[in-house]
Amino acid sequence: GDSVTQMEGPVTLSEEAFLTINCTYTATGYPSLFWYVQYPGEGLQLLLKATKADDKGSNKGFEATYRKETTSFHLEKGSVQVSDSAVYFCALSYSGYALNFGKGTSLLVTP
Amino acid sequence: NAGVTQTPKFRVLKTGQSMTLLCAQDMNHEYMYWYRQDPGMGLRLIHYSVGEGTTAKGEVPDGYNVSRLKKQNFLLGLESAAPSQTSVYFCASSYHLEKAEQYFGPGTRLTVT
Repeated sequence: GDSVTQMEGPVTLSEEAFLTINCTYTATGYPSLFWYVQYPGEGLQLLLKATKADDKGSNKGFEATYRKETTSFHLEKGSVQVSDSAVYFCALSYSGYALNFGKGTSLLVTP
Repeated sequence: NAGVTQTPKFRVLKTGQSMTLLCAQDMNHEYMYWYRQDPGMGLRLIHYSVGEGTTAKGEVPDGYNVSRLKKQNFLLGLESAAPSQTSVYFCASSYHLEKAEQYFGPGTRLTVT
């Protein structure tokens, strides 16, 4: 069935470092892809999304490009801040509405 | 505009007790979902609803029941709680659009002893 695999954490970076969190997917058809972020003690918030191949989603300095040829949707940010410390989830939509989540990647950014 | 709210925020149950978690949304969304989040497991779909009066099973429905009597509310029930149901429960809702983004509530942390 449709599934998402993302890199395991935790990822620890110094402030202003470059971030990449890998996400690959397996799907029949053409899913939409999402990155959600969960700050400590809170629910998930949509960070960015892409609905078709070659689309680039972006928000708050984060970017991800829907790569159909490599079935990937890697999350990147050029310069992370301490406030970016959170858990990041890659997800795809299947059956039209429900989301299938990866296991999450914890990011800790140190000053 | 409160978005998605969940009640209660925390709860401790003894094995065998029952409880209901309430989710409410004020965005007039058709679709609503219940997930559980466990360490290292990501989020797993328990049940979902595509409209008032309808419900369907997700990935891990056993031990849970749901009801959607009003469009804005989605209730998750545990009839006889088990320690394996210790988890953080999230409710979400989305528009009546295929592959639409979901909006999440703040979560309910449930411990079953």
